[in-house]
Amino acid sequence: AQTVTQSQPEMSVQEAETVTLSCTYDTSESDYYLFWYKQPPSRQMILVIRQEAYKQQNATENRFSVNFQKAAKSFSLKISDSQLGDAAMYFCAYRSGFRDDKIIFGKGTRLHILP
Amino acid sequence: KAGVTQTPRYLIKTRGQQVTLSCSPISGHRSVSWYQQTPGQGLQFLFEYFSETQRNKGNFPGRFSGRQFSNSRSEMNVSTLELGDSALYLCASRAGQRAYEQYFGPGTRLTVT
Repeated sequence: AQTVTQSQPEMSVQEAETVTLSCTYDTSESDYYLFWYKQPPSRQMILVIRQEAYKQQNATENRFSVNFQKAAKSFSLKISDSQLGDAAMYFCAYRSGFRDDKIIFGKGTRLHILP
Repeated sequence: KAGVTQTPRYLIKTRGQQVTLSCSPISGHRSVSWYQQTPGQGLQFLFEYFSETQRNKGNFPGRFSGRQFSNSRSEMNVSTLELGDSALYLCASRAGQRAYEQYFGPGTRLTVT
């Protein structure tokens, strides 16, 4: 069974600095999708960025980028120029590309932004 | 386009009662998934419906059930509530079975006393 592990329950970063959130996953499949979701205190879960496993190029969305290491089964999220609005719970998630299966979420990392 | 909506947003129930939560997906989306979120267990998948059929199911007891209507709106029912059912219940929709992006609603905060 697939698993997603986020080893950092909480992190803090100074405003305007860069922070990297870690995520590792375990799967025997070759085709899958990886996601980072953000859940701010308002509770609305928002998709931040996605990565298709077959793409070697790391996904980027404005200040958010990922470091996708397929062989190491690692999928970290880098947030550049951190802003107060980035404070939230961040979830790493996995979905199979073969089977129409559920999304598997990690336990989450709570990110604090220090002014 | 309106996002995923969930009603009610907050709910307080007593042990032993039953509750029904509602979710309206984004217009045109035919798949609806339900998740339970608690501080201890994180996000746990309950079930997914597509075109009124349950496609996937998580590891929850039979007290948790759901259904989807022809307009894609979905309801989740929990019978014989237990204290441990207190959680944030999230609904998410996606366009179809092959669509990999899910869009979440704001959730329903259920408190069981």
